[in-house]
Amino acid sequence: GAVVSQHPSRVICKSGTSVKIECRSLDFQATTMFWYRQFPKQSLMLMATSNEGSKATYEQGVEKDKFLINHASLTLSTLTVTSAHPEDSSFYICSATAWDTQYFGPGTRLTVL
Amino acid sequence: ILNVEQSPQSLHVQEGDSTNFTCSFPSSNFYALHWYRWETAKSPEALFVMTLNGDEKKKGRISATLNTKEGYSYLYIKGSQPEDSATYLCAFKRLYFGNEKLTFGTGTRLTIIP
Repeated sequence: GAVVSQHPSRVICKSGTSVKIECRSLDFQATTMFWYRQFPKQSLMLMATSNEGSKATYEQGVEKDKFLINHASLTLSTLTVTSAHPEDSSFYICSATAWDTQYFGPGTRLTVL
Repeated sequence: ILNVEQSPQSLHVQEGDSTNFTCSFPSSNFYALHWYRWETAKSPEALFVMTLNGDEKKKGRISATLNTKEGYSYLYIKGSQPEDSATYLCAFKRLYFGNEKLTFGTGTRLTIIP
């Protein structure tokens, strides 16, 4: 199957700083990648769809100025949480589509102090 | 808002026993139903993509069925082994031009007792 990597796996930062999370498709090209967030005891919630070479599409209620998405190449999408606050602490996970299936990275645990 | 429900939330099963759990989803505008296995600290692993009513898919000891008319899918594990311990997620894809979005359930957390 297709492999998606995500980095870092865990990050702790101070309130007000920005954090960048990378999502890479390792053995296939992905024109579309997805960013999800999961709060404790809840399901994976789609935040945005990242499109190579164009602007991301954000889900309702997700602030595009807070969660900056860049998909500059066919194998890399980045999510930047700007001016992070404690309420942004969550598990962030990306996926990329190949052969009608979404393949996921291992996720990033973000803790904002 | 699309509701995808999974039951039970958690399950403990003796090694060697068989088990099953449920995913229910909207029966209208159905396109596909995905099943994933998610072990702690790993990436969710795609198990099945199901599209046709009455579909049954199998991968080793794991199989799944699909009923799109009533909006449910069952996942079965035969002869559970410790390595089957994981959270099993289902995700619904709605019929919608150009749509690739998945709506996930909260998962069933399966623990196999040796």
